[in-house]
Amino acid sequence: RKEVEQDPGPFNVPEGATVAFNCTYSNSASQSFFWYRQDCRKEPKLLMSVYSSGNEDGRFTAQLNRASQYISLLIRDSKLSDSATYLCVVNHYSYNTDKLIFGTGTRLQVFP
Amino acid sequence: GAGVSQSPRYKVAKRGQDVALRCDPISGHVSLFWYQQALGQGPEFLTYFQNEAQLDKSGLPSDRFFAERPEGSVSTLKIQRTQQEDSAVYLCASSFVRGGAPHIWMNTEAFFGQGTRLTVV
Repeated sequence: RKEVEQDPGPFNVPEGATVAFNCTYSNSASQSFFWYRQDCRKEPKLLMSVYSSGNEDGRFTAQLNRASQYISLLIRDSKLSDSATYLCVVNHYSYNTDKLIFGTGTRLQVFP
Repeated sequence: GAGVSQSPRYKVAKRGQDVALRCDPISGHVSLFWYQQALGQGPEFLTYFQNEAQLDKSGLPSDRFFAERPEGSVSTLKIQRTQQEDSAVYLCASSFVRGGAPHIWMNTEAFFGQGTRLTVV
């Protein structure tokens, strides 16, 4: 079982739709959580960090449930430019080492 | 340059050939990571450096893979006797976060290079 699990999709949604992605992680020692975005044949880029209290950045809302080890990303009013793969990422560390662990990614395709 | 630079962008190797992939992190970044990304998959952790020290190499798939960062800046990932299953995009990322301080991660990010696409034929 992978440490970070995501539905690979694809999610095909019309412009203006609201779409939600979910992610679960298996290591309860994970401390930090992120969503990264990766466009086709490009490198991953940070979309937003995920805080325990939940956080919002424009049309994007991220939620964290530590008890259920579950992370979500909600995108409102989808744009064509939102089409990409969304990677759920967790970080956990042991003495003097850090790892960012990536999920497989969820592919989103927004159509006109 | 302003970002993480990787070279070459593309590499075709014959099976059994040795390859060396280079990463120039952002100046001053303490942490450097190597990831392997197969088609349709998320990046898989290979190894982590804090300055010149390789603190975690648990993700290296075999002893054919070797990474170094001798002066704490540029890093090289070397793959000996390449196999077809080594074909992937190799991503390098850097961050100024120092390992062991997880709370700092909440307000920082790892910056990725564009990757080296390795094809073993």
